[in-house]
Amino acid sequence: GAGVSQSPSNKVTEKGKDVELRCDPISGHTALYWYRQSLGQGLEFLIYFQGNSAPDKSGLPSDRFSAERTGGSVSTLTIQRTQQEDSAVYLCASSVSTGSNYEQYFGPGTRLTVT
Amino acid sequence: GDSVTQMEGPVTLSEEAFLTINCTYTATGYPSLFWYVQYPGEGLQLLLKATKADDKGSNKGFEATYRKETTSFHLEKGSVQVSDSAVYFCALRNNAGNNRKLIWGLGTSLAVNP
Repeated sequence: GAGVSQSPSNKVTEKGKDVELRCDPISGHTALYWYRQSLGQGLEFLIYFQGNSAPDKSGLPSDRFSAERTGGSVSTLTIQRTQQEDSAVYLCASSVSTGSNYEQYFGPGTRLTVT
Repeated sequence: GDSVTQMEGPVTLSEEAFLTINCTYTATGYPSLFWYVQYPGEGLQLLLKATKADDKGSNKGFEATYRKETTSFHLEKGSVQVSDSAVYFCALRNNAGNNRKLIWGLGTSLAVNP
């Protein structure tokens, strides 16, 4: 079946602009996660959703970052007034549920470059 | 807070060599431990996992044992192949409360030469 998809695959934007990154999880997966992969920083958790609610958004770096999920499916990560330090690969993952036995399946990522 | 430390790469081996990638962790409670792999041009994939002390995860010839006494989860393979060339990430998940996030090591790049 289809895996996790993300769009766009690449995004180049100017500093100060807003960007929206989209994630389509695997059908039927109730849990959805956003991570960021930066050079020298490794992978960092941003936020996770169970259904449409976000029990843990502790990893969002600043109030310029927000995310929502609608219909228990698609999620959008929005970065307002982008800065150069926001340049990274943004990864989305989904799982059947949030229990420890449920594997997180990752999408290919969106590479964001802020110039 | 919780953290994962894994050996820095890059690691370069000849085909059929023995592989060890060290991973140690710091966490409260009883985390689950994972190894993920990222092949060139592909997304992250779960390689193996262990959810409690002394569990051994295994897949594709790779193994890792959850050692609570040494807080380690070292990845091993007895005979690597060129196709194992990838970046390997150790990760933990502390399942307390609402915590469902994965905490990651920085990744270890492995190159296997024929």
